[in-house]
Amino acid sequence: NAGVTQTPKFQVLKTGQSMTLQCAQDMNHNSMYWYRQDPGMGLRLIYYSASEGTTDKGEVPNGYNVSRLNKREFSLRLESAAPSQTSVYFCASSEGFHGTGLSGGYTFGSGTRLTVV
Amino acid sequence: AQSVTQLGSHVSVSEGALVLLRCNYSSSVPPYLFWYVQYPNQGLQLLLKYTTGATLVKGINGFEAEFKKSETSFHLTKPSAHMSDAAEYFCAVSETNSGYSTLTFGKGTMLLVSP
Repeated sequence: NAGVTQTPKFQVLKTGQSMTLQCAQDMNHNSMYWYRQDPGMGLRLIYYSASEGTTDKGEVPNGYNVSRLNKREFSLRLESAAPSQTSVYFCASSEGFHGTGLSGGYTFGSGTRLTVV
Repeated sequence: AQSVTQLGSHVSVSEGALVLLRCNYSSSVPPYLFWYVQYPNQGLQLLLKYTTGATLVKGINGFEAEFKKSETSFHLTKPSAHMSDAAEYFCAVSETNSGYSTLTFGKGTMLLVSP
């Protein structure tokens, strides 16, 4: 099925460990996004990639890095995990980054539940 | 700058009752408006969207929403709630002609449906 695939679905890390969350889309979308979801906070944008070869910070980028590996793949890396990064992480994609490119909205992956102990 | 306000973090209805989830937005240009639904332990799924044209839009599972420019609102309704509608609902807005824009989400409304 076409869509956005995230791996892993669940992960437990110890404080200070590093890990990379993987995301791939097969809809030929240009733009990709990483969000975190916390209770009562809604979705907060971590980083986004408007097009292949570009990445930019969102609302809450501290402690994270990203790589737009190619048009399909956009990974999120935690270099030194902290308990405050315990959250559900969602990857999303859209046809474009502005104007009519957003008319279809976002397509979301099923999320990665990360616990940092 | 665009923003979204969802009134009520939790809404409770009885099965068979009307569902009304409120969303107000601010945008300096004509917006695109979306409702997403999130079932427990799942990602967000597009419920419906308004881009241009008819202001009353129909979505999946019997939901619909009406774009009211004068009220800057995009409330979500369903005539008769089902138990399976229990989920969290997110309203989102994007600007149609901005050169630098993403979707902005509200904080969500949890819909609780009782028998």
